[in-house]
Amino acid sequence: KQEVTQIPAALSVPEGENLVLNCSFTDSAIYNLQWFRQDPGKGLTSLLLIQSSQREQTSGRLNASLDKSSGRSTLYIAASQPGDSATYLCAVPNSGNTPLVFGKGTRLSVIA
Amino acid sequence: DAMVIQNPRYQVTQFGKPVTLSCSQTLNHNVMYWYQQKSSQAPKLLFHYYDKDFNNEADTPDNFQSRRPNTSFCFLDIRSPGLGDAAMYLCATSRDTGGNEKLFFGSGTQLSVL
Repeated sequence: KQEVTQIPAALSVPEGENLVLNCSFTDSAIYNLQWFRQDPGKGLTSLLLIQSSQREQTSGRLNASLDKSSGRSTLYIAASQPGDSATYLCAVPNSGNTPLVFGKGTRLSVIA
Repeated sequence: DAMVIQNPRYQVTQFGKPVTLSCSQTLNHNVMYWYQQKSSQAPKLLFHYYDKDFNNEADTPDNFQSRRPNTSFCFLDIRSPGLGDAAMYLCATSRDTGGNEKLFFGSGTQLSVL
């Protein structure tokens, strides 16, 4: 069964810093990987989806990379802002193309 | 413009008293999911529907059931809530299963069991 691990569990940075969040998964036979954002007490918002044939995907200040062979993904946030404070979760299919399995997330605080 | 709507936002029930959570979507997506998320934990898939086909996760307790009367609506029924069922319940939709399609989540229902 797919297991997803995210490190670190929490991160606090001053405004303006660039930062990297890490995600690892145990079964590399995936079609793709998704990164989500969750604000406290709210649902999840999809940020980026990387297909297995891609190595990275960009949206604004966010860049996600995928290394299937090593079972790793990173989410890079450039020039962080207080509004980026949230929990970031990654998710991959349990097996092939089945519903997503989530990590516990990294709780990010950006201090003004 | 909310696309996945969950009601109520907060639900309080008593130990053992049945409760129903609802979810509706305006996206006309084939797939609807129910996830359970406890504090600081990963969302855990309870079940999902592909159209009317119901898919139950192996470790979903029998206490949890679901109904999807039409494309737009899906319900989560908890027959006899226990204290351990207090959690955020998240409804999501996608055009297809797996990760080829983005998931769209509702705002969640926070369930408290007294």
